[in-house]
Amino acid sequence: NAGVMQNPRHLVRRRGQEARLRCSPMKGHSHVYWYRQLPEEGLKFMVYLQKENIIDESGMPKERFSAEFPKEGPSILRIQQVVRGDSAAYFCASSPPLGKNGYTFGSGTRLTVV
Amino acid sequence: LAKTTQPISMDSYEGQEVNITCSHNNIATNDYITWYQQFPSQGPRFIIQGYKTKVTNEVASLFIPADRKSSTLSLPRVSLSDTAVYYCLVGGANRKLIWGLGTSLAVNP
Repeated sequence: NAGVMQNPRHLVRRRGQEARLRCSPMKGHSHVYWYRQLPEEGLKFMVYLQKENIIDESGMPKERFSAEFPKEGPSILRIQQVVRGDSAAYFCASSPPLGKNGYTFGSGTRLTVV
Repeated sequence: LAKTTQPISMDSYEGQEVNITCSHNNIATNDYITWYQQFPSQGPRFIIQGYKTKVTNEVASLFIPADRKSSTLSLPRVSLSDTAVYYCLVGGANRKLIWGLGTSLAVNP
């Protein structure tokens, strides 16, 4: 019974390249959330998606960032033309439709922009 | 969205009971209170969730007074492996959560 799977665990990109972060939710979970965490800080909400729908993207930067959760396959967080300030840990969480019992988080992707 | 306030850090010793209190003065009627634990380089892990009164599971208890403006996470007989950051969050189902800095708990031998 796999939990939330994120890959890659570590990603190094040069400034200007694209970063693609993947998240496969737990079986039976149809809601996905992306969070970003800087060192010594709490998690910052980015986006909340259901299958083929973006429900709340109020935490997403207006430019260069996009997210999708297609009908088939994992959710993807895409960062175009990365800059050093994008270096952070990106966590994905999933929940079942009612989401009452908290969210299950993945182990995160650590993005380093050099 | 309800914000929370909790101590930045706490120290304890192995075998002691640890109580971490969180304030959430503007909690909404349909908000739940959820606590997470996070170790370095790992994603947060769900500990316990409650709406009112007391909730207990195999790892912790959660005490919520009648006005729900605060909550206390109780960890019985902590061990070194309980050293982590503990986050208190309030929110409803399928809504974004606002994360603070959490409480960094250090358990000493």
